[in-house]
Amino acid sequence: EAQVTQNPRYLITVTGKKLTVTCSQNMNHEYMSWYRQDPGLGLRQIYYSMNVEVTDKGDVPEGYKVSRKEKRNFPLILESPSPNQTSLYFCASSSPRGRIYEQYFGPGTRLTVT
Amino acid sequence: GNSVTQMEGPVTLSEEAFLTINCTYTATGYPSLFWYVQYPGEGLQLLLKATKADDKGSNKGFEATYRKETTSFHLEKGSVQVSDSAVYFCVKAAGNKLTFGGGTRVLVKP
Repeated sequence: EAQVTQNPRYLITVTGKKLTVTCSQNMNHEYMSWYRQDPGLGLRQIYYSMNVEVTDKGDVPEGYKVSRKEKRNFPLILESPSPNQTSLYFCASSSPRGRIYEQYFGPGTRLTVT
Repeated sequence: GNSVTQMEGPVTLSEEAFLTINCTYTATGYPSLFWYVQYPGEGLQLLLKATKADDKGSNKGFEATYRKETTSFHLEKGSVQVSDSAVYFCVKAAGNKLTFGGGTRVLVKP
């Protein structure tokens, strides 16, 4: 089954404790992206990657890091989480051939930073 | 500007009612436009798309027409069902970038 998986689905952590949210897709997609969803703000893009070893900032990259060492994986790293990073996070992927808009989304990771 | 504006919810309807969710956008060029839907507890799914002016996207009884003159892409459905309860996002794409509206929560009651 074609899908995007994220882990963990739920996470409660404390300020300053480094964490990683994993994202994996099995569709051989080149393009992957991370978003955060906050009430009334829709989805805002954090980082995206056009292919292996190619990453770029989205609209709200501060406080986040990403890496793209393999095509299927695109982890999101919070080196020192803060309460304002409490949010619902989505990973997405697509095959760019002119169709980046047809993104497949993971189920989401709800992060709470206390 | 570079934004997508959609009506705030929640929108509460009875089954078989007519649904309209307004969406307007700002853009310097000619973006592609989409509606994504998020069912409870799930990620977003592409609902429909329109890639040029006057295109009409349709899927699952939903329709939206790309209106360049009014920079709008309103979503409509003639007769909603309880299963249409979800959050709907208007989205524009330009180059490698998607810009999302704030989302409109729709609740359909039996």
